[in-house]
Amino acid sequence: AQRVTQPEKLLSVFKGAPVELKCNYSYSGSPELFWYVQYSRQRLQLLLRHVSRESIKGFTADLNKGETSFHLKKPFAQEEDSAMYYCALSGRNTGFQKLVFGTGTRLLVSP
Amino acid sequence: EAGVTQFPSHSVIEKGQTVTLRCDPISGHDNLYWYRRVMGKEIKFLLHFVKESKQDESGMPNNRFLAERTGGTYSTLKVQPAELEDSGVYFCASSQTRGGYVPNTEAFFGQGTRLTVV
Repeated sequence: AQRVTQPEKLLSVFKGAPVELKCNYSYSGSPELFWYVQYSRQRLQLLLRHVSRESIKGFTADLNKGETSFHLKKPFAQEEDSAMYYCALSGRNTGFQKLVFGTGTRLLVSP
Repeated sequence: EAGVTQFPSHSVIEKGQTVTLRCDPISGHDNLYWYRRVMGKEIKFLLHFVKESKQDESGMPNNRFLAERTGGTYSTLKVQPAELEDSGVYFCASSQTRGGYVPNTEAFFGQGTRLTVV
């Protein structure tokens, strides 16, 4: 079965500290992996996707097929990064257009 | 450009009543999706429209849920009769269709409808 696991419900760090939001997945084949973010009172929006291999707002994520992980990282957290982060996948097995989400991790960056 | 719009933003109904949620996708987006997040759980896929056709409704919980997209524009999701376990946040998303073998385009989400069944 296709599954996305985000082991941490809450991650609390101080401003300037490094951040790593963990995401592991279960999928038979080659999935597409995404990170979505929901800031307070805003809608869910795409942060980045592994095929783009880009850095958005200082965040990066590398797909590790051996460890089936797609952890989200940022070297220096900012207060405005506080939000709910969801890891998601899609692929042939799920029906390409369907996203399978993890339960989300709330990131809290304190001053 | 207007984003995906959902109405209402909140709804509180009694068990056994009917509720209809509405989603207006981004203009020109053929794909429309419904998702639901029940408290403490992951956001789960409900169904996917391509224009007015249901492409995948494998996530619909039971026959108390009925989704329509007449004319391939806005969509409604009706819950009749509502049960306590239907409480949650219902998200709608839309995306364009890309030609050829390019699996996924970015899905744009609405702000969600928070449904509370009491």
